[in-house]
Amino acid sequence: DTGVSQDPRHKITKRGQNVTFRCDPISEHNRLYWYRQTLGQGPEFLTYFQNEAQLEKSRLLSDRFSAERPKGSFSTLEIQRTEQGDSAMYLCASSLIPNLGGDRNSPLHFGNGTRLTVT
Amino acid sequence: QQQVKQSPQSLIVQKGGISIINCAYENTAFDYFPWYQQFPGKGPALLIAIRPDVSEKKEGRFTISFNKSAKQFSLHIMDSQPGDSATYFCAASFMFSGGYNKLIFGAGTRLAVHP
Repeated sequence: DTGVSQDPRHKITKRGQNVTFRCDPISEHNRLYWYRQTLGQGPEFLTYFQNEAQLEKSRLLSDRFSAERPKGSFSTLEIQRTEQGDSAMYLCASSLIPNLGGDRNSPLHFGNGTRLTVT
Repeated sequence: QQQVKQSPQSLIVQKGGISIINCAYENTAFDYFPWYQQFPGKGPALLIAIRPDVSEKKEGRFTISFNKSAKQFSLHIMDSQPGDSATYFCAASFMFSGGYNKLIFGAGTRLAVHP
């Protein structure tokens, strides 16, 4: 278990530029989540993938945001035309779909995040 | 819309003391209540979790107390150590139609344990 890996760890960009973040979940995990965390706040849900299917998107995810999970493995989160309000820590988490009869509350394993600063 | 309210925002405890963090929720559909620990520069890590069918769960020095009627739950850290200094988040979730749980986090409590 190598844990959830996120790249890059830090990203500084100018307003208006596009940025893309990558998340590699724990290999056998078929659920993948993106969260956003601003300073002094708890993580806020952005979107959820089950395998390659994006099953839910938060209202926080404006049209400038897009996430993909091709082939149900790694995931990318792209922000187009970045704004200063996009500055935050972007966290990826993964979990297993529990076996039939198992505990359905499969724990989320978080990566160490990508810290985005928009200047 | 904040559905999980956490207090206090910050907490200072002496080494060996008891740290207590409280959370209150609104949505009675929530059925899973985890606590996460986050160190600077790291992602949150699951500490301990409870279901509403039990009133208390203990793992080592960490205990969750759960009061379903009051819609409140708390984390107790016994014999607090400087290494426990971190930010703690309570969370709540329920199963969505897609069969997954979406965690709603509190705002966090920054704990400092002084030697």
